Amino acid sequence: KAGVTQTPRYLIKTRGQQVTLSCSPISGHRSVSWYQQTPGQGLQFLFEYFSETQRNKGNFPGRFSGRQFSNSRSEMNVSTLELGDSALYLCASSLLSGLAGNEQYFGPGTRLTVT
Amino acid sequence: AQSVSQHNHHVILSEAASLELGCNYSYGGTVNLFWYVQYPGQHLQLLLKYFSGDPLVKGIKGFEAEFIKSKFSFNLRKPSVQWSDTAEYFCAVNVDNQGGKLIFGQGTELSVKP
Repeated sequence: KAGVTQTPRYLIKTRGQQVTLSCSPISGHRSVSWYQQTPGQGLQFLFEYFSETQRNKGNFPGRFSGRQFSNSRSEMNVSTLELGDSALYLCASSLLSGLAGNEQYFGPGTRLTVT
Repeated sequence: AQSVSQHNHHVILSEAASLELGCNYSYGGTVNLFWYVQYPGQHLQLLLKYFSGDPLVKGIKGFEAEFIKSKFSFNLRKPSVQWSDTAEYFCAVNVDNQGGKLIFGQGTELSVKP
């Protein structure tokens, strides 16, 4: 099976702009989670989508949003970009949500640089 | 709030040395536990997982971890490390009321000298 894919892999944006990142989960996986990885804060959970519904949301401002489509592909959007949004954004997919066998498989990430 | 603590920020070992990386979490309910590894330039890979049953779990590449519920710990071990084990290691926990949310530790960077 193909792994989790993320596009684009690298992105450079200017403060104030918005950005959309895309994630295609492993075939058959219905849960998609997003994480932000930075040297200072480590890996932080953004949100999870399961069957097109947001299941959980991390402690991030409302500028961060996401959605999931009927084919389980997911997008996340960051509006009004700030310098502090520069990070590696990781997408992970799992077959199910919650404790019922939810081992997550990660994609390569999108490296976002805000200037 | 739930949290995960990894005791060592950076560990330096020589090849063939034994490895133990500490991980403690704070949550009193049911948990799933994971160790992920991130090799230089590569994406996060699942090393091993604990869902239930035998608290000693074996993963890929000779790694194992032991879940000690009374200590809220899930330490990672390997009897003999290789240079190719040089990577960053992350402990993560999923708790029973948070959907698929993984809470990660800060990571431990392992450097193995040949």
